[in-house]
Amino acid sequence: EPEVTQTPSHQVTQMGQEVILRCVPISNHLYFYWYRQILGQKVEFLVSFYNNEISEKSEIFDDQFSVERPDGSNFTLKIRSTKLEDSAMYFCASMRVRAYNEQFFGPGTRLTVL
Amino acid sequence: DAKTTQPNSMESNEEEPVHLPCNHSTISGTDYIHWYRQLPSQGPEYVIHGLTSNVNNRMASLAIAEDRKSSTLILHRATLRDAAVYYCILRDVISPTGTASKLTFGTGTRLQVTL
Repeated sequence: EPEVTQTPSHQVTQMGQEVILRCVPISNHLYFYWYRQILGQKVEFLVSFYNNEISEKSEIFDDQFSVERPDGSNFTLKIRSTKLEDSAMYFCASMRVRAYNEQFFGPGTRLTVL
Repeated sequence: DAKTTQPNSMESNEEEPVHLPCNHSTISGTDYIHWYRQLPSQGPEYVIHGLTSNVNNRMASLAIAEDRKSSTLILHRATLRDAAVYYCILRDVISPTGTASKLTFGTGTRLQVTL
């Protein structure tokens, strides 16, 4: 069964460093998302991406964040200058078509900012 | 986004049915009702969704009240592997972001399953 994959599973970085989190969505999916979950808190939406542009972004997704689909398979989230409060699990998700279809989530990347 | 209300936690014995309630009294006519779950240390996982009629799939059943102000996720025989946080989420298919609409997670119901 196809699945969303994410790398790395755990990333440790120093405050102020840039990180890139990578995702490979399911191959025939057209909609892509990033969510994050700070330890013990709710899953929060960051950004949605469709047709090579951002469809919607939350207040969390400020100028320090960017997303890219550099080739036909990868979908990346870049944090330019990490802060302590960026420490969280980051989940990538993809969806085939339509808003009422299911989103498929990856296993997540745990980001730890020291 | 229309709000949902779920109990913080529920317990069940293994092999027994579980009914997880969700209230959504401000639901609009274009809101689909989705259920996702999150097993420990994993990403969220789709369970089921519906609009007006009751729905069944291999994982669960979804019972939707006639006025759509509440719904119930039914796990017919809970197993230890069903221990997770279950989220009831409304998605408006004609929102401004339309087909790319996000999922808005609440705190969900933590289901504990015991032997």
